[in-house]
Amino acid sequence: RKEVEQDPGPFNVPEGATVAFNCTYSNSASQSFFWYRQDCRKEPKLLMSVYSSGNEDGRFTAQLNRASQYISLLIRDSKLSDSATYLCVVNDINAGNMLTFGGGTRLMVKP
Amino acid sequence: DADVTQTPRNRITKTGKRIMLECSQTKGHDRMYWYRQDPGLGLRLIYYSFDVKDINKGEISDGYSVSRQAQAKFSLSLESAIPNQTALYFCATSALSTSGSGSYEQYFGPGTRLTVT
Repeated sequence: RKEVEQDPGPFNVPEGATVAFNCTYSNSASQSFFWYRQDCRKEPKLLMSVYSSGNEDGRFTAQLNRASQYISLLIRDSKLSDSATYLCVVNDINAGNMLTFGGGTRLMVKP
Repeated sequence: DADVTQTPRNRITKTGKRIMLECSQTKGHDRMYWYRQDPGLGLRLIYYSFDVKDINKGEISDGYSVSRQAQAKFSLSLESAIPNQTALYFCATSALSTSGSGSYEQYFGPGTRLTVT
């Protein structure tokens, strides 16, 4: 079983749509969670951290469910520029807080 | 100026050649990492370093070596390049977040596209 699992997609949505991605993780000791965004052939960039109470940054909302060990990312009012691959990332406190990256979910926003 | 830089950005080399990919950072982070990414696949960790005197193998270290010349510099070498090492290579850095969250967000360089023919 992969440590961090994501649906690879692609998710094809029209502009203005709301789209949600889920991610599951296997390490119950994980304490830090992130979403990264990666454009084609570019470096991953930190999109947002995920806090226990859930957090929002503009059109993006991240939530954490520790009991079920999953993380979600909701994007409202999708823009063409949101087209990218979204990586779910968790830490491993038993390995020096190393980060484990999911394989990513590809989003394509269409006009 | 970019906080994490990688050189070269693109490189084409022949099988059997020795090549070095370099990474420099101005973020003052202690931790540095080398990953490779293959088309359609996720990031795979090659080597990482928690400080200048600390070097650790990642999940795919065979065929690679690293050198941490200073806090700001971490180089990756392919001693004898082979075609299946053709990939996109990323360097990353991290430090304990100042937000008090206890987390270590990673920050990536722009990548080196390596082709081995």
